[in-house]
Amino acid sequence: AQRVTQPEKLLSVFKGAPVELKCNYSYSGSPELFWYVQYSRQRLQLLLRHISRESIKGFTADLNKGETSFHLKKPFAQEEDSAMYYCALRGASNYGGSQGNLIFGKGTKLSVKP
Amino acid sequence: DAGITQSPRHKVTETGTPVTLRCHQTENHRYMYWYRQDPGHGLRLIHYSYGVKDTDKGEVSDGYSVSRSKTEDFLLTLESATSSQTSVYFCAISEGREANNEQFFGPGTRLTVL
Repeated sequence: AQRVTQPEKLLSVFKGAPVELKCNYSYSGSPELFWYVQYSRQRLQLLLRHISRESIKGFTADLNKGETSFHLKKPFAQEEDSAMYYCALRGASNYGGSQGNLIFGKGTKLSVKP
Repeated sequence: DAGITQSPRHKVTETGTPVTLRCHQTENHRYMYWYRQDPGHGLRLIHYSYGVKDTDKGEVSDGYSVSRSKTEDFLLTLESATSSQTSVYFCAISEGREANNEQFFGPGTRLTVL
């Protein structure tokens, strides 16, 4: 079964500290992995997708197929990074007729203290 | 924001009443989705559409129906609202004509069922 696990509900760090938000997935195949961010009471926005290998707002994430992980990292957290972060997985477009649907983890709330 | 709007943005209703939420997009995207967001559950797919009059169930479709009579509108109906359907509902689209393109989300509708 396809599943995304974000083990931390809440992660609290001080400004300037490194941040790592964990994401593990379960999928038999080659999934696409994403990180979405939701600032307070706003819509979700795509932060990263593993196939683009970009660095957005200082965040990076590497897909580790051996460990089935896609952890999100930032070397120096900023107060404006405080938000809800969701890891998501998308399997093959026609997997079970799912038409490329996203499966989300339960989210991690990041709080960056001054 | 990929031209996605949702209406209403907030709604309070009573148990047993029907409720319809509207998602509207202006850019002719083929795929549209309805998710619900709940603390401790993240986002879960309710229904999705892959074209006019083409819809399918997601993970948590019980108690919900959808309709898509034209490309730009995707309606979510709660036939008889229950308190367990109190949630924030997000509409999303896959950009363009492919399911595997980036998903963009609407601003959300906060529904309270008393």
